[in-house]
Amino acid sequence: DTEVTQTPKHLVMGMTNKKSLKCEQHMGHRAMYWYKQKAKKPPELMFVYSYEKLSINESVPSRFSPECPNSSLLNLHLHALQPEDSALYLCASSQAVAVSETQYFGPGTRLLVL
Amino acid sequence: EDKVVQSPLSLVVHEGDTVTLNCSYEVTNFRSLLWYKQEKKAPTFLFMLTSSGIEKKSGRLSSILDKKELFSILNITATQTGDSAVYLCAVANAGGTSYGKLTFGQGTILTVHP
Repeated sequence: DTEVTQTPKHLVMGMTNKKSLKCEQHMGHRAMYWYKQKAKKPPELMFVYSYEKLSINESVPSRFSPECPNSSLLNLHLHALQPEDSALYLCASSQAVAVSETQYFGPGTRLLVL
Repeated sequence: EDKVVQSPLSLVVHEGDTVTLNCSYEVTNFRSLLWYKQEKKAPTFLFMLTSSGIEKKSGRLSSILDKKELFSILNITATQTGDSAVYLCAVANAGGTSYGKLTFGQGTILTVHP
């Protein structure tokens, strides 16, 4: 089973709203990732969690706040977003950063900021 | 800065044709190269390559890595309409704070007509 699930599938929010994206995997993976993908562009790495600790933050604005409550769950809290933040947000997981770099992606959350 | 370049950017073929997709890279600390297929949403994993000259095969798809010339190719034989997708090449970094980070190329859009 190489399934990563993400909720919601679609999200529309205003610039003053607070919302959260959720990601879950039950493969025993200890590394989890958030990517942002704009139309016709490749995924861009935002954050990496390794053993529930934040290991990479690619200079992402503070209006995006990641959280890893346990080894199976990854959240991305959104607050005061801008219209240019509209994109497909992908979650991925791998066995561990130091073990395997084969990342398995979830279906994504398509976010629209009005 | 790590860089991955794919060519061509788009390709239109007919069913039954054979296609070759290219990926060249410049990475400070190369660890591996991965190929993904992305249709509507999540990129799905195809291959991971770490050693030069060893071909990986899965059905009609195959891939090989040349670490001396810093490139990889993805071959698809007897293409089908279901092969229509964006094919992403990504390189995994093995160094320091970028350990485990994937850098993606811009993708090749493959369209297979019946």
